[in-house]
Amino acid sequence: ILNVEQSPQSLHVQEGDSTNFTCSFPSSNFYALHWYRWETAKSPEALFVMTLNGDEKKKGRISATLNTKEGYSYLYIKGSQPEDSATYLCAFKDAGNMLTFGGGTRLMVKP
Amino acid sequence: EPEVTQTPSHQVTQMGQEVILRCVPISNHLYFYWYRQILGQKVEFLVSFYNNEISEKSEIFDDQFSVERPDGSNFTLKIRSTKLEDSAMYFCASGKEGQVNTEAFFGQGTRLTVV
Repeated sequence: ILNVEQSPQSLHVQEGDSTNFTCSFPSSNFYALHWYRWETAKSPEALFVMTLNGDEKKKGRISATLNTKEGYSYLYIKGSQPEDSATYLCAFKDAGNMLTFGGGTRLMVKP
Repeated sequence: EPEVTQTPSHQVTQMGQEVILRCVPISNHLYFYWYRQILGQKVEFLVSFYNNEISEKSEIFDDQFSVERPDGSNFTLKIRSTKLEDSAMYFCASGKEGQVNTEAFFGQGTRLTVV
C-alpha cells in the first residue's frame, strides 16, 4: 500500500496571505506527481503534472516544486483570493496505471 | 471546453440491487478510469481501461464490479449486488495518454447511497 500524505488537512487564511502545503510520497519507483484543485460540487481539475526531480511549475499565482529523492512536493499560493478556496489533492503515480491520492488540504480564504 | 460527464449525479439504491454508473469521457481520449471516495476517506483507484480491456484494477474491484465501453462513447461501471460499504462518490476520468506526463480529466462524480 502506497503512502501519500498531505499536510495540513485544512487551512484558513485571510485574503492576500500567501500559503503553502505539502505532499509526501514514496521516493522509490516514482513516475509522476499530480496536483488537482477540487471545488465543492465540481470536478477535480488538474493543476500540474510533475515528473522530474527539481521541477518547478507555475500557473498564475500557484506554483509547485518537486523533490523525488526525498519524496515531497510543495504547492504555493501567492496572495490567496476567496476563489482559491478548494481542496487541493496530490496524487502519486508509479509504474502502474493508477494514481494514489493523498487526503487533500482544504483551503478556506476569508475575504 | 470538452469535459467528462457523469450520470446520474446522485443514485440511491437498496442493498443487493444492481447499479450502473454512466460516464461520457472526452471524445479523443484513450484511457479511462474509475475512482471512488468514501466520505471522509481518500480518493481510491478502482480500475483503468485501455484498448477495450482492463489494464489495471485494485483490490476493491472484485467480482461484483465490471466496466464496459459499449458503444465507443460511454464508459460504465456496474456493481452487481450493492453493499452498504459501496456508498461513496464515484468519479470517472479520462486521459489522452497514460498518466505520466498528462493529467486525467475528471467528471463531477456520482454520489451512490446504498440503503
